[in-house]
Amino acid sequence: GAGVSQSPSNKVTEKGKDVELRCDPISGHTALYWYRQSLGQGLEFLIYFQGNSAPDKSGLPSDRFSAERTGGSVSTLTIQRTQQEDSAVYLCASSLGDPDTQYFGPGTRLTVL
Amino acid sequence: SQQGEEDPQALSIQEGENATMNCSYKTSINNLQWYRQNSGRGLVHLILIRSNEREKHSGRLRVTLDTSKKSSSLLITASRAADTASYFCVGRGGGSNYKLTFGKGTLLTVNP
Repeated sequence: GAGVSQSPSNKVTEKGKDVELRCDPISGHTALYWYRQSLGQGLEFLIYFQGNSAPDKSGLPSDRFSAERTGGSVSTLTIQRTQQEDSAVYLCASSLGDPDTQYFGPGTRLTVL
Repeated sequence: SQQGEEDPQALSIQEGENATMNCSYKTSINNLQWYRQNSGRGLVHLILIRSNEREKHSGRLRVTLDTSKKSSSLLITASRAADTASYFCVGRGGGSNYKLTFGKGTLLTVNP
């Protein structure tokens, strides 16, 4: 079946602009996760959704970051007033539930100039 | 989850050879998972082994788990150039279980 998909695959933006990153989880997966990976760094947890609610937003770096999930499916991660340090690969994963295996999308490479 | 510590940090082999990488972890786990990451196909889940299992196979992959030593190994047989990637292990079990954290991984290079 179809895996996790993310769009866009690459995004180049200017400092100060807002960006939206989209994640389509595997159909039927109730849990959805956002992570980011900076160059040479490990995986950094951002937020976890169970259905449409986010019981854990503890990884969001600042209030410029927000995420929502609608219909228990698609999720959007929004970064407002982007900064150069936001440049990273943003990965989305989904799982049937928690703590089932997480399946990752291909990521969105964000570059803030 | 808890991140594992992979060893070696880098491994270079010829196509057709076997590759073995190791993982150590610190606290008790319910299962241990191996992931692979390369630039072409992102982060891919390879295999999960439960704490009551000692060995598991999936295609050319063989994973062992020794809970008494808190260690696991991943063997890739008959390696291919497409196996070139970073390999990570992660132990699952305990609170905040959903937050995957990866160590530095083992960078495997398979030379044609």
